[in-house]
Amino acid sequence: DQQVKQNSPSLSVQEGRISILNCDYTNSMFDYFLWYKKYPAEGPTFLISISSIKDKNEDGRFTVFLNKSAKHLSLHIVPSQPGDSAVYFCAASDRGSRLTFGEGTQLTVNP
Amino acid sequence: GAGVSQTPSNKVTEKGKYVELRCDPISGHTALYWYRQSLGQGPEFLIYFQGTGAADDSGLPNDRFFAVRPEGSVSTLKIQRTERGDSAVYLCASSLRARDRVIRSTGQPQHFGDGTRLSIL
Repeated sequence: DQQVKQNSPSLSVQEGRISILNCDYTNSMFDYFLWYKKYPAEGPTFLISISSIKDKNEDGRFTVFLNKSAKHLSLHIVPSQPGDSAVYFCAASDRGSRLTFGEGTQLTVNP
Repeated sequence: GAGVSQTPSNKVTEKGKYVELRCDPISGHTALYWYRQSLGQGPEFLIYFQGTGAADDSGLPNDRFFAVRPEGSVSTLKIQRTERGDSAVYLCASSLRARDRVIRSTGQPQHFGDGTRLSIL
């Protein structure tokens, strides 16, 4: 039972445009959400997080939006840069500390 | 370095052998996590420690898998009688502290090492 789903395995965007990565979850107990970026042969790198008491969190070019009623979150990257090309994972936790990850979305930013 | 360190970076062994994977967390981080990532999937939780004790080991797939953290810092994941299906990247992460199950505390991001790629022939 996949509790966190990223339905798009890949996304291709032009440099300078917006990248929007989506994530859906089913477990209503999740209250803390994170996005990670992963380059080949490296571990996931933490990007940004959001608590369920908020609906938006912004950090530089990265903004995460949370829609609790739809059980949906998204990551916006503006402007996209070629160095942003990587696999992006969303993750969620409930009151415990274990993270449940989605399958990942491969983002390619074309120069 | 300042990040989570995992050794070895690669391990190739034969089916049936015993392996140990080591994780050195970020200094000062009291919580340590192990995940396993198969090709094309996201990381899957195995076990986490708060200090020396395993707070949640519900993700360990069977009793061939065991992890320790005797002094509350370095952790070792141990796999007995390895099987081909154990082949994966084993990731370790640490955070300042684990979330409190009773008090609704703010989450702490987990910071990952580069993993150990385990191949069972």
